[in-house]
Amino acid sequence: NAGVMQNPRHLVRRRGQEARLRCSPMKGHSHVYWYRQLPEEGLKFMVYLQKENIIDESGMPKERFSAEFPKEGPSILRIQQVVRGDSAAYFCASSSTSGGTDTQYFGPGTRLTVL
Amino acid sequence: AQSVTQLDSHVSVSEGTPVLLRCNYSSSYSPSLFWYVQHPNKGLQLLLKYTSAATLVKGINGFEAEFKKSETSFHLTKPSAHMSDAAEYFCVVISQANNLFFGTGTRLTVIP
Repeated sequence: NAGVMQNPRHLVRRRGQEARLRCSPMKGHSHVYWYRQLPEEGLKFMVYLQKENIIDESGMPKERFSAEFPKEGPSILRIQQVVRGDSAAYFCASSSTSGGTDTQYFGPGTRLTVL
Repeated sequence: AQSVTQLDSHVSVSEGTPVLLRCNYSSSYSPSLFWYVQHPNKGLQLLLKYTSAATLVKGINGFEAEFKKSETSFHLTKPSAHMSDAAEYFCVVISQANNLFFGTGTRLTVIP
């Protein structure tokens, strides 16, 4: 059973370009979470999605950031017009239910560098 | 509101000696707590979790943590450190909305 998969693992963009980060949850998982880890910091929650629904986006910046989890295919975190401050590691996690005790399994992360 | 505080940003131990990584939590209800480990340039791996069952939780790689409600603590311990334990450790509490709140992390260095 493959774990959570993220691609690309490393992404380099110039200021003003768009970044698309993909996350395929574990098989059987329908809940996806995105977290951002800035250098030397812990992870910060961004958004929680189920298939075709955004459940909680309270951690998402108001502008330039969007996320989706379509019926078919991976979850996408999209950052438009990237700036240097977007440079970070972006982690996706998935769980099988939304229960409070359910474990979130993390992918290896995508490291975004904005030049 | 939920939060966790990791009291030490860096901990250094000699190989073969005990490890203690401290974590205090704040929660308005009975929390679920986790410890995750992150090796350099890698993703996060779950070490163990507490979900209101036994207060002493055993995890992988010889780690364990004890939930102490009276002290609002969930410290991570290991009897004998191994070189491969060198990593960043995060104490995490889950919110009622099922979001994870991470502590700022403790970097464990193991000295040969």
